[in-house]
Amino acid sequence: GAGVSQSPSNKVTEKGKDVELRCDPISGHTALYWYRQSLGQGLEFLIYFQGNSAPDKSGLPNDRFSAERPEGSISTLTIQRTEQRDSAMYRCASSWGAGTENSPLHFGNGTRLTVT
Amino acid sequence: KNQVEQSPQSLIILEGKNCTLQCNYTVSPFSNLRWYKQDTGRGPVSLTIMTFSENTKSNGRYTATLDADTKQSSLHITASQLSDSASYICVVSARSGGGADGLTFGKGTHLIIQP
Repeated sequence: GAGVSQSPSNKVTEKGKDVELRCDPISGHTALYWYRQSLGQGLEFLIYFQGNSAPDKSGLPNDRFSAERPEGSISTLTIQRTEQRDSAMYRCASSWGAGTENSPLHFGNGTRLTVT
Repeated sequence: KNQVEQSPQSLIILEGKNCTLQCNYTVSPFSNLRWYKQDTGRGPVSLTIMTFSENTKSNGRYTATLDADTKQSSLHITASQLSDSASYICVVSARSGGGADGLTFGKGTHLIIQP
């Protein structure tokens, strides 16, 4: 079956532009996470959606970052007025249940964002 | 503060040799510990999960151990193959108390298998 799908796989944008990253989780997975992974760094939590509950936005670095999951399935991560420090691999993951239970995260292949 | 420390940061071994990767954590209250393998350019994939009551678990040539008293885990790879070249990430789950992100990620060990 299909895994977690992220698009685009690569995005190059000019500083100051807005970008939108998309994640299509595995069908039926209620939990969806966004992470950021910089070269040589670990996975940095950004935001978490679980079913119809209010998302946990505690990892978003500043108010230029936002994410939505309006229908409980596909999610979009939006970065406004991009800056060069936003350049990173953005990874989406989904899982059954809350993710902190005995269900693994299934990761997408990520979107590599480069801000010039 | 919940933390997961992995060592070594990187490791190079010859094909066919064994190796052991370490993970120390301070996550509390502990729920489970999972090892992920991340191939270059791909997302991490779960290898094994350890719960509080388990102290060893194997998945093919991968054997994970857990010492909940010392809060340490190891991942042992036997008879390494070129395809084992990857980053190995230790992820510890805190017992959910309503907070959404109960996961703490280590920075990973970058393993290179040389022919």
